[in-house]
Amino acid sequence: GQNIDQPTEMTATEGAIVQINCTYQTSGFNGLFWYQQHAGEAPTFLSYNVLDGLEEKGRFSSFLSRSKGYSYLLLKELQMKDSASYLCARSGAGSYQLTFGKGTKLSVIP
Amino acid sequence: GAGVSQSPSNKVTEKGKDVELRCDPISGHTALYWYRQSLGQGLEFLIYFQGNSAPDKSGLPSDRFSAERTGGSVSTLTIQRTQQEDSAVYLCASSLLGDSEAFFGQGTRLTVV
Repeated sequence: GQNIDQPTEMTATEGAIVQINCTYQTSGFNGLFWYQQHAGEAPTFLSYNVLDGLEEKGRFSSFLSRSKGYSYLLLKELQMKDSASYLCARSGAGSYQLTFGKGTKLSVIP
Repeated sequence: GAGVSQSPSNKVTEKGKDVELRCDPISGHTALYWYRQSLGQGLEFLIYFQGNSAPDKSGLPSDRFSAERTGGSVSTLTIQRTQQEDSAVYLCASSLLGDSEAFFGQGTRLTVV
């Protein structure tokens, strides 16, 4: 498999900052995606990193280190509506097949 | 269309019957994916079509599963002789290129009784 690992569950407080980590197998790696999935809904795209570094998009930022096989999603100023599963996915070099991790279920509490 | 369309949205079938699930990708998208998601689980890759290349079937769980994509557009996922463990939400996604944002359909919830 692609050995994509991320925590199963996390809990954070409204207004706080939370970081969701993802590690993946570096062999044959092309790029790293983050998706958000609310319960009972389809996943929606959040971010894509192919180069090392931090990509910022409003309250959400994503970081990638290609050499370490490591990414994180940073959510700032948490809102209750951010309660969802966050899926880390890697695309493979050449074929670009998109493989997902099992997702991290984030619960935002008041 | 405006988004990825899947049909039916729900399907209940008897064990042993065949089912066909349909996916209409966004017009012009060359890449199409099928995934399966069981309750509370992650997305399990099934099959990937990219343009005119041979599909990547490495995720199909058994030879009861097959998929085709006609004319580089609509795709059909067929499950023969369904089993109870096939019950899941089947998600289709398409992207403009092989390595760009994938847009998901709302899925087909399959229940095998």
